Amino acid sequence: SQQGEEDPQALSIQEGENATMNCSYKTSINNLQWYRQNSGRGLVHLILIRSNEREKHSGRLRVTLDTSKKSSSLLITASRAADTASYFCATDDPGDSGYALNFGKGTSLLVTP
Amino acid sequence: DGGITQSPKYLFRKEGQNVTLSCEQNLNHDAMYWYRQDPGQGLRLIYYSQIVNDFQKGDIAEGYSVSREKKESFPLTVTSAQKNPTAFYLCATDRRGTGELFFGEGSRLTVL
Repeated sequence: SQQGEEDPQALSIQEGENATMNCSYKTSINNLQWYRQNSGRGLVHLILIRSNEREKHSGRLRVTLDTSKKSSSLLITASRAADTASYFCATDDPGDSGYALNFGKGTSLLVTP
Repeated sequence: DGGITQSPKYLFRKEGQNVTLSCEQNLNHDAMYWYRQDPGQGLRLIYYSQIVNDFQKGDIAEGYSVSREKKESFPLTVTSAQKNPTAFYLCATDRRGTGELFFGEGSRLTVL
C-alpha cells in the first residue's frame, strides 16, 4: 500500500536555484529513503535516513526527517539541468515481515538552463 | 558488471495473451521484487520473494504470477486475467540488512 505522499507534484526551477520537495507518511517507520527516476528508466537510490536521525547530507542533497510530524524533506542545492527527474520517497513498514517498500507518487522536477 | 537485467524493454501484447517479463540479477541479493508503475503514479508492489522457492503477494497480485526457481531469476507472467496490463514494470533487489533497493531499467508492456 502506498504510504508516502510527495509535495509538490511538480516543480520547475532554474539552474542554480535550490529545489525542496516534501514527503508525508502515515504510520511508524524504521527508515525513509529517497529515489530518483529519469524518464523511462529505473529508480536510483539517493539516500536513506533512519528513524532516529534528523538530518543527513550526501553531496548536494540534504534530507530531514521529523518523525513527530511524519514528514521528510529533500533539498537539492545549486540545481543543474541534469537533476531533471522524478523524485520518490519510500518508507518501510515495521509490521511487514516481507520488508517491501511503499512508494509515493513522486515529485516531477524540471530544471531549466 | 553487476546489475539487474530486465527484458524485453518494450513488449506489445494482444488481449487474451499471457506474457512473461524476465528479471535476472548477478548481485547475489536474496530478495527480489516486482513493481508496477502507471503514468504519473508511484510504484505499486505486485510480488516479492525473499528466498528461492518462496514468494508473497503484494498489493496488486491479481492477474500476475511469478516463480523463483533460482536466486538469480524472478520472472513475472502477466496473464489474460489482468484487466489493465498496460504499464511500466520494474524489477528490484535488495541486499539483506541495508534496505536499499536496486532497480532494473524496466519493461514497458502495451496491450493492443
